[in-house]
Amino acid sequence: AQTVTQSQPEMSVQEAETVTLSCTYDTSESDYYLFWYKQPPSRQMILVIRQEAYKQQNATENRFSVNFQKAAKSFSLKISDSQLGDAAMYFCAAKFQGAQKLVFGQGTRLTINP
Amino acid sequence: EPEVTQTPSHQVTQMGQEVILRCVPISNHLYFYWYRQILGQKVEFLVSFYNNEISEKSEIFDDQFSVERPDGSNFTLKIRSTKLEDSAMYFCASSGRDSGNQPQHFGDGTRLSIL
Repeated sequence: AQTVTQSQPEMSVQEAETVTLSCTYDTSESDYYLFWYKQPPSRQMILVIRQEAYKQQNATENRFSVNFQKAAKSFSLKISDSQLGDAAMYFCAAKFQGAQKLVFGQGTRLTINP
Repeated sequence: EPEVTQTPSHQVTQMGQEVILRCVPISNHLYFYWYRQILGQKVEFLVSFYNNEISEKSEIFDDQFSVERPDGSNFTLKIRSTKLEDSAMYFCASSGRDSGNQPQHFGDGTRLSIL
């Protein structure tokens, strides 16, 4: 089965510090896409960053970067210089080859302490 | 920036009634999706829609559910004979292509409460 797992239900970090959210997935395919979505209290699911499995280089978007370890099937999100506005639920998701759907992890609730 | 819009933001319905959730996808997108998120649980895929027909659906999407694109702009999810367990947040999403290169963009969701 193709699954996505987030083992950290909650994380907290001091403002301006760095935090890493973990995500692992399971698939036998070699071609797929990975995503991190942010869901603030306003509810909207916002795309944070995406990674193509065929690219070895880790994706980066400003303060957000990923550590993609294909052999380990790991896709963690690093948030640098955390800001109060980063507080949200973060979902890891995957789009596997041949499927249109996104498969989501359970989510990690991130709290930023001022 | 173009957005996916969903109405209503909150729907309260008596058990056994029919409910229609509405979505306006991003205008030049071709693929449309519905997901749901039961309180405290993960986001689950329901159905995808392309070229006026269902292209993929999950085991959750049984005969109780249907989707429609009635007028070229709206994309609706109908739930017949609602049950208590249908209470959830329902998200609509759209994408330009069926590719991870064009990610799915989500709306704000409709919170459905079945009484």
